[in-house]
Amino acid sequence: NAGVTQTPKFRILKIGQSMTLQCTQDMNHNYMYWYRQDPGMGLKLIYYSVGAGITDKGEVPNGYNVSRSTTEDFPLRLELAAPSQTSVYFCATTWDRGVGTEAFFGQGTRLTVV
Amino acid sequence: DQQVKQNSPSLSVQEGRISILNCDYTNSMFDYFLWYKKYPAEGPTFLISISSIKDKNEDGRFTVFLNKSAKHLSLHIVPSQPGDSAVYFCAARMEYGNKLVFGAGTILRVKS
Repeated sequence: NAGVTQTPKFRILKIGQSMTLQCTQDMNHNYMYWYRQDPGMGLKLIYYSVGAGITDKGEVPNGYNVSRSTTEDFPLRLELAAPSQTSVYFCATTWDRGVGTEAFFGQGTRLTVV
Repeated sequence: DQQVKQNSPSLSVQEGRISILNCDYTNSMFDYFLWYKKYPAEGPTFLISISSIKDKNEDGRFTVFLNKSAKHLSLHIVPSQPGDSAVYFCAARMEYGNKLVFGAGTILRVKS
């Protein structure tokens, strides 16, 4: 059982480039999330989705876009990479509210923008 | 505006002793609290949780205490083992929307 799979694991981008961070889950969870972890800052919510076709902004959405065409996939798009987006990105899923409260995380994508 | 705060960036404990990690929150709408453990180059993994209607939850060596009046929770690890060395994140779930808000994390080092 793969759980939550993120690709790539590492990436170096030049300022102004774009890229998509991929996230796939095989647990059939409705809720999916993108977090970024900056040193000493914990995990900040970028975007989340409560189901296919529905997405919403988190705490730090600027510079990012998401889509959710299927239950399994929740890609995160960076259109014009900036040094401030250097971070470790985590994708996560949770069960429907009231049923489960754990969040399952992918292994992370370490992104450096130079 | 940090709604979940872990004020100790790091903690060092001798093997076999108790580790106590603390977490404070400001939002009364949180209804569930969780602790996650994270090793380098891995995603966070769930450790233990507690509902806002309880004041204690125990799972083996791990116990979480919740003091709602003080908006404070703590994670106790007894006895501490070197394999417990990791970053520990406190997280709180909003009553509506199923979103998790995380603290900044505490690095625990257990010395043998």
